[in-house]
Amino acid sequence: GDSVTQMEGPVTLSEEAFLTINCTYTATGYPSLFWYVQYPGEGLQLLLKATKADDKGSNKGFEATYRKETTSFHLEKGSVQVSDSAVYFCALGSQTGANNLFFGTGTRLTVIP
Amino acid sequence: EAQVTQNPRYLITVTGKKLTVTCSQNMNHEYMSWYRQDPGLGLRQIYYSMNVEVTDKGDVPEGYKVSRKEKRNFPLILESPSPNQTSLYFCASRGHGTDTQYFGPGTRLTVL
Repeated sequence: GDSVTQMEGPVTLSEEAFLTINCTYTATGYPSLFWYVQYPGEGLQLLLKATKADDKGSNKGFEATYRKETTSFHLEKGSVQVSDSAVYFCALGSQTGANNLFFGTGTRLTVIP
Repeated sequence: EAQVTQNPRYLITVTGKKLTVTCSQNMNHEYMSWYRQDPGLGLRQIYYSMNVEVTDKGDVPEGYKVSRKEKRNFPLILESPSPNQTSLYFCASRGHGTDTQYFGPGTRLTVL
C-alpha cells in the first residue's frame, strides 16, 4: 500500500545553515505530495505541495521537487531561521476516495541562534 | 476567517467514561477526517466523511465512532475510552475537487 518514509530526527542546526529533510514514498500511480509543518502547540499547516512529477513546490523559502525516478520529495531551505523550529511532516495524498493523507513520522527541527 | 475548530483542546478522563470531541469547519467543505498523532507513528486516519450522512473507517477506527448530521460538524465519540487512546487528535477538512486539507489545532486526550 501507499506509504511515506521520512528522515528520522531530531535535527539541530545553527541559524543560516542549509536544511535537507529526506522523504521517500511508495505508491502506485501519481499521488500528490505534501509537506506540512507543526509549530509548537499548534495544528498542522500546509507548507508546500506538488501534484505531478518534476513539479517544485515552494513557500517561505522552503522547496521540494517531486522526483518520480527516485520516488522522493526532499524538503530544502538554503538558510534556516530560529522561527523555522517546528516538526515537519511529509505526506502523500490518497488516490482512492478515502480522503486520506499518509504521513511520515515527522522530523523535529530546532534552529539555534 | 476560514478555520477548523476543535473542542476541548485538552481533556483528562478515566477509563470507560464516554466522551465527545467536537470539530467544526466554516469553509463549507465536503470532506472531513479525524487523525491521531502518536510519537514515532506520525498521523493516522481514524474516520472520514465525504458528505452529510456518509462516513467510513480509516486506518485505525477501533474504539471510535463518528457522525455527520450537518456539513460543518464532525464529532469524534469514544464510548468507552481506554488508556491506549491517549493521544493527540486532529480534525481536518477539504473541499471537493481540491487536495489540500485544513487542520484544527488539536485535542490532547489523556485516559487514565
